[in-house]
Amino acid sequence: GAVVSQHPSWVICKSGTSVKIECRSLDFQATTMFWYRQFPKQSLMLMATSNEGSKATYEQGVEKDKFLINHASLTLSTLTVTSAHPEDSSFYICSARTGEDYGYTFGSGTRLTVV
Amino acid sequence: GESVGLHLPTLSVQEGDNSIINCAYSNSASDYFIWYKQESGKGPQFIIDIRSNMDKRQGQRVTVLLNKTVKHLSLQIAATQPGDSAVYFCAVVGSQGNLIFGKGTKLSVKP
Repeated sequence: GAVVSQHPSWVICKSGTSVKIECRSLDFQATTMFWYRQFPKQSLMLMATSNEGSKATYEQGVEKDKFLINHASLTLSTLTVTSAHPEDSSFYICSARTGEDYGYTFGSGTRLTVV
Repeated sequence: GESVGLHLPTLSVQEGDNSIINCAYSNSASDYFIWYKQESGKGPQFIIDIRSNMDKRQGQRVTVLLNKTVKHLSLQIAATQPGDSAVYFCAVVGSQGNLIFGKGTKLSVKP
């Protein structure tokens, strides 16, 4: 089946630094990539939606200058958390969707800890 | 906006019993629903889905029931096993094509 490879699986960084998270779709093309954030014991909350070759659409309350999303190809999307702060510590998950079919494939998630 | 709610945050069952996890949604126009299982530290894992033109769909040990009249969705797990212990989320497809997740139910299976 479709697989989305997400890296890194966990990362610890210092306050003020930037972290990049990658999601690659293996053997399929992801026309749309969704980025979610999940705090402990909470549900997944959509941060942004990106379509290949166009600017990402951010949900209300999500700072686009802080969470940079790049979806330059049909197999790779990246989320960069810039100037990370402890409150950005969370579990970040990507989900790829192909075309109009309701097929959603999730990455394995990235645990970000900002110290 | 659209929302998805879950009736019970935790559920504890005995191994071998059946489990029922419930979910409610707000948008009567929703036409696709998915149940996910999430183990600690991992991404959501697809369990089963159902479209709005169906009331029931069965998989291996799992059944999803959809009641569009009351906008209610349920997941039934037969003969629950310790490996079923996880957090279960229902999700509906939003107007932008994204998934809107419910709050989740933590299922604990006692041996």
